[in-house]
Amino acid sequence: RKEVEQDPGPFNVPEGATVAFNCTYSNSASQSFFWYRQDCRKEPKLLMSVYSSGNEDGRFTAQLNRASQYISLLIRDSKLSDSATYLCVVNNPTGGFKTIFGAGTRLFVKA
Amino acid sequence: DAGVIQSPRHEVTEMGQEVTLRCKPISGHNSLFWYRQTMMRGLELLIYFNNNVPIDDSGMPEDRFSAKMPNASFSTLKIQPSEPRDSAVYFCASSSLTQGYGYTFGSGTRLTVV
Repeated sequence: RKEVEQDPGPFNVPEGATVAFNCTYSNSASQSFFWYRQDCRKEPKLLMSVYSSGNEDGRFTAQLNRASQYISLLIRDSKLSDSATYLCVVNNPTGGFKTIFGAGTRLFVKA
Repeated sequence: DAGVIQSPRHEVTEMGQEVTLRCKPISGHNSLFWYRQTMMRGLELLIYFNNNVPIDDSGMPEDRFSAKMPNASFSTLKIQPSEPRDSAVYFCASSSLTQGYGYTFGSGTRLTVV
């Protein structure tokens, strides 16, 4: 089993749709969780951290379920500009700052 | 802030040549990471430094790869000799505790070994 697994993609959605990505992690002692966004031929950029209580940033909502060891990202009212690859990232507690990146889920938002 | 700065942006070299990639982290960040990204394997952590000291180099593929961080503002990743299978995008990232372990990535170096 991979340490961090994400929904297989790609997701193809129309503008205005709501789309959700899930990510599972294997190490129950993991402490920090993030979603990154990566555009084609660009570097990954931090989208948002994921807190135990869940958090929201505009159209984006992140949730953490420690019992089931998964995190989710919800995007409401999808825009064309949301088209990108979304990477789930989990902190390895035995490695200090070392974090594990998921393989990513590709999202295409179409007009 | 200028962000994480990597150079060169692109590098094309012949098999067997030495390649040196460079990275300047964000000032004040005390952790630095080198990643490699390919379509087949995704993002792979090669090595990371904390306060200029290498902490974990278990991701370095083999002895042909080496990394240094002589000071807080500079790091290099060297491949000698390079092979076609080393072709990838190499990212440098930096982080600090105040970022809550989130990383800031550089723009990457696209390496092609022919």
